[in-house]
Amino acid sequence: AQSVAQPEDQVNVAEGNPLTVKCTYSVSGNPYLFWYVQYPNRGLQFLLKYITGDNLVKGSYGFEAEFNKSQTSFHLKKPSALVSDSALYFCAVRPILTGGGNKLTFGTGTQLKVEL
Amino acid sequence: DGGITQSPKYLFRKEGQNVTLSCEQNLNHDAMYWYRQDPGQGLRLIYYSQIVNDFQKGDIAEGYSVSREKKESFPLTVTSAQKNPTAFYLCASSRGVGIQETQYFGPGTRLLVL
Repeated sequence: AQSVAQPEDQVNVAEGNPLTVKCTYSVSGNPYLFWYVQYPNRGLQFLLKYITGDNLVKGSYGFEAEFNKSQTSFHLKKPSALVSDSALYFCAVRPILTGGGNKLTFGTGTQLKVEL
Repeated sequence: DGGITQSPKYLFRKEGQNVTLSCEQNLNHDAMYWYRQDPGQGLRLIYYSQIVNDFQKGDIAEGYSVSREKKESFPLTVTSAQKNPTAFYLCASSRGVGIQETQYFGPGTRLLVL
């Protein structure tokens, strides 16, 4: 069975500094990987996904993520954090070779706090 | 959140009562999903539907039921058999059933027990 680990419950960063939100995964075979963001009492918003090809994926709002197969990681990054980036971030995985429809497995989320 | 609506925003359930959460999408998506979100546990899949008149259980289907009579609608009923229903419920949809398809989420319904 697939799983996702987000090892940090909370990440604090100063505005203007680079940010990283970590994600590691475990699947049989190759994965599809996703990042979502959730603001308080709202649904999840899609940020970016890795399907195949270039290991560096660029997404919405200046975010990017790097797929590292050897380390089974898909860390979310942004060169310069904004206070408005403060939110809950979820990593999700879907193995390529499996049946049962488009079922995603989510991590437990990382709360990002960007301070002035 | 655009294109997927969930109602109500807040819902209160009494002991022994069944309640139904609404999810509607105007994206012409074939697949729809229901997730439950609890603090510190991420999202867990309750039910999903890949096509009208068909649906499958997810990881935590006990105490829940769904229907998919129309492409745009996927209501979730929380039955009295669900002993711990307090949670944030999220509906999602995707264009197709291909595993590369992105799921898009509605704004959620918060269910509280009186």
